[in-house]
Amino acid sequence: GQQLNQSPQSMFIQEGEDVSMNCTSSSIFNTWLWYKQDPGEGPVLLIALYKAGELTSNGRLTAQFGITRKDSFLNISASIPSDVGIYFCAGQWAGANSKLTFGKGITLSVRP
Amino acid sequence: DGGITQSPKYLFRKEGQNVTLSCEQNLNHDAMYWYRQDPGQGLRLIYYSQIVNDFQKGDIAEGYSVSREKKESFPLTVTSAQKNPTAFYLCASGLAGGAGDTQYFGPGTRLTVL
Repeated sequence: GQQLNQSPQSMFIQEGEDVSMNCTSSSIFNTWLWYKQDPGEGPVLLIALYKAGELTSNGRLTAQFGITRKDSFLNISASIPSDVGIYFCAGQWAGANSKLTFGKGITLSVRP
Repeated sequence: DGGITQSPKYLFRKEGQNVTLSCEQNLNHDAMYWYRQDPGQGLRLIYYSQIVNDFQKGDIAEGYSVSREKKESFPLTVTSAQKNPTAFYLCASGLAGGAGDTQYFGPGTRLTVL
């Protein structure tokens, strides 16, 4: 199946810093989604992107659908301790009847 | 409030027993999904259903079964044939077809086999 690459596996930042994460694929995707998961909870949808080049914000979060349709970026500005968690990207491959493919996630730690 | 509920939150099972995980949604979504999550791995699709009385196998369906008798409900049974059932199970729902198959998740059920 299709694969999404997220790296590094973990990121450590200082409170107040900005952080950027990306998600890449070797295939073209029609949709990019970004989720955040707190320990022991289900993922929560942060931002959904449906068009190449689309740039969408949700509070301190901004995500972009790459123009090549093979990548997406999530930026978090002015990080706070509650930003700690696992950030997953997900995408729907452009092939027929495809389901969502998920990256393995990036664990974000924020030092006060 | 609209949303997806999963019960129970924690479930313990003895080897050789079947167990059923509940998933209910009141979002009026046509599509529902079951995923399995293991540490350090992405979500893996077990089964999905896009309409009542119909469902399809995902990537790791062996040892699992589902039913979709009502639009709101999509229970998952973990059978004794599943060789490594201890995991975190997530249910999701979304609008079938439409823009991008966007999915919304429930809070999850952690299953431990003793």
